[in-house]
Amino acid sequence: NAGVTQTPKFQVLKTGQSMTLQCAQDMNHEYMSWYRQDPGMGLRLIHYSVGAGITDQGEVPNGYNVSRSTTEDFPLRLLSAAPSQTSVYFCASSYFRQGYTEAFFGQGTRLTVV
Amino acid sequence: SQQGEEDPQALSIQEGENATMNCSYKTSINNLQWYRQNSGRGLVHLILIRSNEREKHSGRLRVTLDTSKKSSSLLITASRAADTASYFCATDGETGNQFYFGTGTSLTVIP
Repeated sequence: NAGVTQTPKFQVLKTGQSMTLQCAQDMNHEYMSWYRQDPGMGLRLIHYSVGAGITDQGEVPNGYNVSRSTTEDFPLRLLSAAPSQTSVYFCASSYFRQGYTEAFFGQGTRLTVV
Repeated sequence: SQQGEEDPQALSIQEGENATMNCSYKTSINNLQWYRQNSGRGLVHLILIRSNEREKHSGRLRVTLDTSKKSSSLLITASRAADTASYFCATDGETGNQFYFGTGTSLTVIP
């Protein structure tokens, strides 16, 4: 049971390049989400999905696209990277039971845009 | 923004002392959770307290919740060097599935 797996762990992009951050979970959770973590800002929700085929925007969605074709995978796409997207990105999957939600996080992807 | 705030931003204590960190949030919640993040790693769930609970214990952790003040506190008793990490509170969104995180408290426990 691997939990939540993010790839890559590190990435350097040039401004304007595109890339996809991968996230996979093997816990059959319906809910998945992407966060970015910046110094002094905590974690901010980018996009989330409540199930395959369903996605929605979080607090800071601009510049990012997501899709959810399967329960297991929830990739995050940067179409045209900008230096402001330099951050650490975390993917999470969660489930709802007995009136609360518990989330499991990946190890993070450290992205630098130059 | 629904993001909360932790206080203090940084805390340094001696091993064996207690560490207290506080979290304030802005909107009504169903639950509040605390997470730990070791340097360069992902977040690990520590404890959850529901909106109808006022206090909860788990090992050396004690969490309180005051919904009238929209605040929570996390107490770590008899701290250890291994407790050195950043601690975040997270509140759920309207659907119960979204999480909104505070800015975190960086705890350093000196051996």
